[in-house]
Amino acid sequence: EDQVTQSPEALRLQEGESSSLNCSYTVSGLRGLFWYRQDPGKGPEFLFTLYSAGEEKEKERLKATLTKKESFLHITAPKPEDSATYLCAVQARYGNKLVFGAGTILRVKS
Amino acid sequence: DGGITQSPKYLFRKEGQNVTLSCEQNLNHDAMYWYRQDPGQGLRLIYYSQIVNDFQKGDIAEGYSVSREKKESFPLTVTSAQKNPTAFYLCASSSWGTGRSFNQPQHFGDGTRLSIL
Repeated sequence: EDQVTQSPEALRLQEGESSSLNCSYTVSGLRGLFWYRQDPGKGPEFLFTLYSAGEEKEKERLKATLTKKESFLHITAPKPEDSATYLCAVQARYGNKLVFGAGTILRVKS
Repeated sequence: DGGITQSPKYLFRKEGQNVTLSCEQNLNHDAMYWYRQDPGQGLRLIYYSQIVNDFQKGDIAEGYSVSREKKESFPLTVTSAQKNPTAFYLCASSSWGTGRSFNQPQHFGDGTRLSIL
């Protein structure tokens, strides 16, 4: 069964304090791994797609990396506006369904 | 602006009542999806549709029904058979294709929060 586990469940950072979020997965053939950001009371907002091990994507203070078993979302010098829940999802080789992790709640204090 | 519109934002259901959640998209996407989000859990797939007049059950379809009469619209009905309907419901859409285009990301609406009266 395809599974996604995100850690930590919650993370508190001071503004400027860099850190990483983890997404571990087991899937029967990875077609793609997706990162989303979700603000309270809103729908998830797409950030990145990663397709194969070794791939990296960057957007402002965020950088996503992928290995054969996990993905990391690195946050460099975060600001309070980066506070949100970050969701990871995988798409298996067959079908178009996504399997989501429970998310990491990030709080950045100024 | 292209996007996905869900309505209403908040909905209350009485005992024994069916309620319908609306989802409309103007992204010209073929595929549409319904997810349920509960605190501390990942999004769980209820139903999805690849083309008009066709849809498939997801992982938690019991107590829900859908229709896809138009490409732009994918309403979800929460029936009285769903005994624990309180949740945040999210609609999404994406392109649907083969090969590399299977990797197209799903784009989400801003959800409907359903509660029991």
